[in-house]
Amino acid sequence: IAGITQAPTSQILAAGRRMTLRCTQDMRHNAMYWYRQDLGLGLRLIHYSNTAGTTGKGEVPDGYSVSRANTDDFPLTLASAVPSQTSVYFCASSDETGKGADTQYFGPGTRLTVL
Amino acid sequence: GQNIDQPTEMTATEGAIVQINCTYQTSGFNGLFWYQQHAGEAPTFLSYNVLDGLEEKGRFSSFLSRSKGYSYLLLKELQMKDSASYLCAVKDSNYQLIWGAGTKLIIKP
Repeated sequence: IAGITQAPTSQILAAGRRMTLRCTQDMRHNAMYWYRQDLGLGLRLIHYSNTAGTTGKGEVPDGYSVSRANTDDFPLTLASAVPSQTSVYFCASSDETGKGADTQYFGPGTRLTVL
Repeated sequence: GQNIDQPTEMTATEGAIVQINCTYQTSGFNGLFWYQQHAGEAPTFLSYNVLDGLEEKGRFSSFLSRSKGYSYLLLKELQMKDSASYLCAVKDSNYQLIWGAGTKLIIKP
């Protein structure tokens, strides 16, 4: 594989269920990010990780958790899904944070519907 | 608060030139990015500006004025495949990207 993969591609989920969105990158990038994209709004950062073993909260972290056990994987978990979490979720990675020119590269996205 | 403003939608004709504007108010500035996003796909990187002036890359150019908090993306010789959303994003003082809502560009033959 080359780049970033996400799974599943799409999912319909009942409210209250637990769900983990998977993200894997093979570029050996240090930093990884989770965004949600909703119609009429810009991409909003949920959580990020500057390097394996560390994570941080973004703009909209409530209801989500992440882990970064190794460089390649950055799963996003919804502990108890609610309809307001219906969105398209994008995972991204970048080589190095703390630099202005550091470019983020995006996975194909997961379309999640919570009923 | 931090804010990125772009027009919601623009329409242009195949073969023509279009300019997509972006204004920003952020806590700090560490560069401005433009991304292209086709419907149902991931955003892909187009350009990066950190100094004032014009950066040209083929049919696409991006301009930045830091004193005015303003950038534009210029697309020349428009092709049907350029129909997409164009996202403006600014890296703030914490090196986090703040994203605009995007401009949907419709190209007509």
